[in-house]
Order: sequence, then structure tokens, then C-alpha cells
Amino acid sequence: GAGVSQSPRYKVAKRGQDVALRCDPISGHVSLFWYQQALGQGPEFLTYFQNEAQLDKSGLPSDRFFAERPEGSVSTLKIQRTQQEDSAVYLCASSLASVLLAGLYNEQFFGPGTRLTVL
Amino acid sequence: RKEVEQDPGPFNVPEGATVAFNCTYSNSASQSFFWYRQDCRKEPKLLMSVYSSGNEDGRFTAQLNRASQYISLLIRDSKLSDSATYLCVVSQNTGGFKTIFGAGTRLFVKA
Repeated sequence: GAGVSQSPRYKVAKRGQDVALRCDPISGHVSLFWYQQALGQGPEFLTYFQNEAQLDKSGLPSDRFFAERPEGSVSTLKIQRTQQEDSAVYLCASSLASVLLAGLYNEQFFGPGTRLTVL
Repeated sequence: RKEVEQDPGPFNVPEGATVAFNCTYSNSASQSFFWYRQDCRKEPKLLMSVYSSGNEDGRFTAQLNRASQYISLLIRDSKLSDSATYLCVVSQNTGGFKTIFGAGTRLFVKA
């Protein structure tokens, strides 16, 4: 596809339910990021993948959050036992190069996000 | 203290005005710097990268002061279409691979 796609676009979950959010990055992009964006705030970093390797998961808020990118392309963010504070927009971004290369090639292209509402 | 701090605004300016946004960051190991733009209920999009020598793209000028850990964005001759939230972004590639976004500065340009 031409850009980053995410599915579903909207998800309503009952508290305690598990959810899985999917990200399809731009083909050939090495880097993939997940962010959580609360209303009125900037995106908060969750985790970073370089190909299939998860190199930084320091932003995951709890062990209920888990991300994977097993073949170095599509990624899934899973949230177990959802809580109301998990309600947010979850953004996925990809970039052509590894973050080890600074500069223009680190432009991140964002998907439209998944808006998660936990009741 | 937040790792990247911005004045949240909002900035309300008339068309044709010049407006400046500032941003400070706390991690001196930060390597890359950007300004992103985010329209209401849309995803962020890159506006411009920021280099130590300063860089300009049309009506937009970005500056970086590494010594003061300060980044700025200047918009000249504001257009209605410039109305958006401007996000200051800092990334590192040592000791982690985090990309840190500021909370954003809201700009409203009015006719």
C-alpha cells in the first residue's frame, strides 16, 4: 500500500477484555514504532522494532502490553485485561532506516491510528 | 520535568502574521530533532527536520541550539491552512531508541 495502515480504526472494549491492534507499515521500512496518544497530548512512545527485533520497549506502561513483529513487517500491539486508563489513540509509525542513522531518513510515517475506548 | 516541553498555546494570530514556537529538551544525548504537524483527529506528519546550522523551507525556519537544548520554529506570512498543532520531536539512538514528542502547541490563524 501507499502508506501505513492500521486496523481496526475504532475499538470498544469492556474492561478486562483483551484487544489486538494491527499495523501494516510501508513496505520495506526497517523501523516500526508504536505510540499512545491521549486527548490533548502528544504521542507517547511505547516500543520500537528494527525489522523483527524489539530493540526498545521501555515505554510500555505495564506487562499487560505486548508487541510483536515476527516477520519484520506487520506488527501487532496486544493489550490484556484492558483498563479504562488504556483508552487512547494508538498510533503506529514506520521509517525507512534504522534509528541508528540520524537525519532525513528517520522521517516517521504515521498510520491513522486505532481509537480504543474501554468501558 | 517532561523530557520535551512546549508552550501549549493556543496561539491566535491573523493571516500574514509571523509566529514563533519554542521547545526545550532535557536529554543531552538526543541525536535527531524534528517538527511535526498534527491536524485535528489526524495523524502527525513531518513538517521539517531541524539541523544545528538552522534550516529553512519556504515560510518555515527551524533552529537548534544544542548548548541550550532548545529548538524553535518560525512561521512567516501565516496562512489559514497553517492552523494545526505543532509537535516538537526529539529522538535518540544511544542508550535506547525512544522518540519523544512534546505535548504540542496549538495554532489558530484567523482571517
